Amino acid sequence: AQSVTQLGSHVSVSEGALVLLRCNYSSSVPPYLFWYVQYPNQGLQLLLKYTSAATLVKGINGFEAEFKKSETSFHLTKPSAHMSDAAEYFCAVTPDGGSQGNLIFGKGTKLSVKP
Amino acid sequence: DTEVTQTPKHLVMGMTNKKSLKCEQHMGHRAMYWYKQKAKKPPELMFVYSYEKLSINESVPSRFSPECPNSSLLNLHLHALQPEDSALYLCASSQAMPGKIYGYTFGSGTRLTVV
Repeated sequence: AQSVTQLGSHVSVSEGALVLLRCNYSSSVPPYLFWYVQYPNQGLQLLLKYTSAATLVKGINGFEAEFKKSETSFHLTKPSAHMSDAAEYFCAVTPDGGSQGNLIFGKGTKLSVKP
Repeated sequence: DTEVTQTPKHLVMGMTNKKSLKCEQHMGHRAMYWYKQKAKKPPELMFVYSYEKLSINESVPSRFSPECPNSSLLNLHLHALQPEDSALYLCASSQAMPGKIYGYTFGSGTRLTVV
């Protein structure tokens, strides 16, 4: 069964500092991986997705993630945090290589940005 | 139109009431999903419709009844709910087909409170 583990339920950074949110996956088949952001009382917005086309994936709002098969990781980074980045971030994987078409989410990481 | 629209945004209902949640998309997506999200938790899959047919039911209690009248609409009928069913209900859609993942678009959700 496929799953994702997000390390750290809460990450706090200063404005302008590097953002690093960690996600490790478990999969017996090539995974499709996603990062979503959720602002308070809102739905989920797709930041970026990995579908095996390129290991370094660039997303919206300056975020990017690198797929590392040897480390089974898909960490999310942003060079310089902005106050508006404060939100909940979810890493997600599709089970069975996408044959069922649904998403399984990690537990989430809350990002706080200090002025 | 690149949105998934959910109505109502907020709903308060008694345990004996019958209500419905509505989800609509006009992106031509043929897979639609209901997720339930409790506070400070990741979304959990409830139902998947593929080409207007129910393909996944994650052992959801019968007091939740999904319906997909056409390729653009998804409803969730609610009856005799319990207070623990209070949550954010998210609808999503995708072009997902077996082996092909194009990404998922989420609505902003319906905040349901059962009293």
